[in-house]
Amino acid sequence: DTGVSQNPRHKITKRGQNVTFRCDPISEHNRLYWYRQTLGQGPEFLTYFQNEAQLEKSRLLSDRFSAERPKGSFSTLEIQRTEQGDSAMYLCASSPTPGQGVKTNTGELFFGEGSRLTVL
Amino acid sequence: LAKTTQPISMDSYEGQEVNITCSHNNIATNDYITWYQQFPSQGPRFIIQGYKTKVTNEVASLFIPADRKSSTLSLPRVSLSDTAVYYCLVGDPPPRTGTASKLTFGTGTRLQVTL
Repeated sequence: DTGVSQNPRHKITKRGQNVTFRCDPISEHNRLYWYRQTLGQGPEFLTYFQNEAQLEKSRLLSDRFSAERPKGSFSTLEIQRTEQGDSAMYLCASSPTPGQGVKTNTGELFFGEGSRLTVL
Repeated sequence: LAKTTQPISMDSYEGQEVNITCSHNNIATNDYITWYQQFPSQGPRFIIQGYKTKVTNEVASLFIPADRKSSTLSLPRVSLSDTAVYYCLVGDPPPRTGTASKLTFGTGTRLQVTL
């Protein structure tokens, strides 16, 4: 399977602990996105990378959140001092850059299956 | 940002055609209309994208009137496996502009298909 891979799929932690999620995008995609989704809501944008550069950050990304993509391949999203309000599905998506050898550009984001966080 | 309005939920019987309409009155000239499908505990999956008139692929059709203030996703002959949440997004897609933060999902339409 060459889709977007996220790990772990589920994480249960106690309030105050740190957690880290990993996303492996489709190998030829140089753009990577993180979203957060709570029950009954649509995904909310958190941050976006082009290669290793973090180009956009949402106001939702508080100081306790940090995302990295050190070599322009996989990315990690770390949440420090977790709070119960951080409980959500964390989704990663990737996409190619226009002109990156793709024949057509539909604007499609390719999502992983997400990492579900439960903070007790 | 172009705000979208969709029905919260819809019900259909298997084999029927389902049309989900999305209103986007303040759509901008450069904005495209994109629909995603999401099953429980999975990430959204791209269905179709269009700018104007009609777009059709193997999964769905997208109808966009001339004023582009609304769009309709049409799913022909739905099956139980089409039960999902459908999101209408309006914006200049990230792969074109890189402006990911301006492409918002909203709450979507929950489609329930029954026998």
